[in-house]
Amino acid sequence: GENVEQHPSTLSVQEGDSAVIKCTYSDSASNYFPWYKQELGKGPQLIIDIRSNVGEKKDQRIAVTLNKTAKHFSLHITETQPEDSAVYFCAAFSVNDYKLSFGAGTTVTVRA
Amino acid sequence: KAGVTQTPRYLIKTRGQQVTLSCSPISGHRSVSWYQQTPGQGLQFLFEYFSETQRNKGNFPGRFSGRQFSNSRSEMNVSTLELGDSALYLCASSQSAVTGAYEQYFGPGTRLTVT
Repeated sequence: GENVEQHPSTLSVQEGDSAVIKCTYSDSASNYFPWYKQELGKGPQLIIDIRSNVGEKKDQRIAVTLNKTAKHFSLHITETQPEDSAVYFCAAFSVNDYKLSFGAGTTVTVRA
Repeated sequence: KAGVTQTPRYLIKTRGQQVTLSCSPISGHRSVSWYQQTPGQGLQFLFEYFSETQRNKGNFPGRFSGRQFSNSRSEMNVSTLELGDSALYLCASSQSAVTGAYEQYFGPGTRLTVT
């Protein structure tokens, strides 16, 4: 099955700086890569996603890049704000088993 | 459009009891997936239902079961509860992965505590 690794596990940044989270996956049949943000007491919220036929996607201050050859994808948050503090999860969807496999999560803290 | 709803939000049960959790997907979504979230194991896939049929299953014991109704609402059941079943149970709905609509939207979860 798919194995998704996520780094770092914790990330502390100064407000206004950028944050980068990296994930790798193992299953070459994975073709969809979403990112979720989970705040305390809430369910994960889909914030951006990318499909395997696209190398980069941007939505305001967040962007995701995908390198299919190396099997890794990254989330970039620019101009971080205190409300960006949360746990972020990457995931990979494989058409081998039609399952979404998640990374272990990154706790992001934005210092004011 | 209303989001995914889950009931109840919080539940406290005793070891050996059984529990049923409910999930109502986003209107028009026919696929419902269930996940268990714990600090140690992260987000783990339990099972997926589509058109009242279990289409996919994760590596959980048979004490974990589910079903889906004709209106796409889903329930999951855990029998003979163990302390290790304490977790946040999340439900996610999507249109249909078979057609390429992979986006999954999560509900707020049900926090289950087993004492």
